[in-house]
Amino acid sequence: GENVEQHPSTLSVQEGDSAVIKCTYSDSASNYFPWYKQELGKGPQLIIDIRSNVGEKKDQRIAVTLNKTAKHFSLHITETQPEDSAVYFCAAPVGLAFGKGNQVVVIP
Amino acid sequence: DTGVSQNPRHKITKRGQNVTFRCDPISEHNRLYWYRQTLGQGPEFLTYFQNEAQLEKSRLLSDRFSAERPKGSFSTLEIQRTEQGDSAMYLCASSLTSGRETQYFGPGTRLLVL
Repeated sequence: GENVEQHPSTLSVQEGDSAVIKCTYSDSASNYFPWYKQELGKGPQLIIDIRSNVGEKKDQRIAVTLNKTAKHFSLHITETQPEDSAVYFCAAPVGLAFGKGNQVVVIP
Repeated sequence: DTGVSQNPRHKITKRGQNVTFRCDPISEHNRLYWYRQTLGQGPEFLTYFQNEAQLEKSRLLSDRFSAERPKGSFSTLEIQRTEQGDSAMYLCASSLTSGRETQYFGPGTRLLVL
């Protein structure tokens, strides 16, 4: 089946710094790459996604970059704030296989 | 609030009992998905529907698990003869089939089997 890996499993950053987390997938047919944020006690919420015909997409402080050759995509969060502390999940293909998540901790 | 609701939010049951969870998707969404999530893990896909048709059910964890979506709107997930290993969060999500695969998740039902 599809293998989705996320690294690092935990990332601690100082408030205001940038955070980058990476997702590697195995199915070369994947063409849709979402990132979800999950806060304690809630379901995952989509924060940004990208399709395979573009290499980068930005939405305010978050961005996603895609490298289809290397089969990985990354989430970039700039000017991190305490409310960015959460677990972030990537998924492929078509959102049915999720990684184990990246715990991001923003230190005030 | 994504517009996807799940009930109950919490369920405690004794081993061997049957449980049923309900999911109400966003009204115009024709795809509905069920996932299981255990502590420290990502959502694990179980099954999904397009309208009332169950298109994938091979990932259901055992024959004790079944799902229905009789009228293409709400869905139920039933676990028969629950085991302690069934304790987890059960998540429902819905999406359109317009070529965009964004899934909107509900808050989940947390199951504890004693």
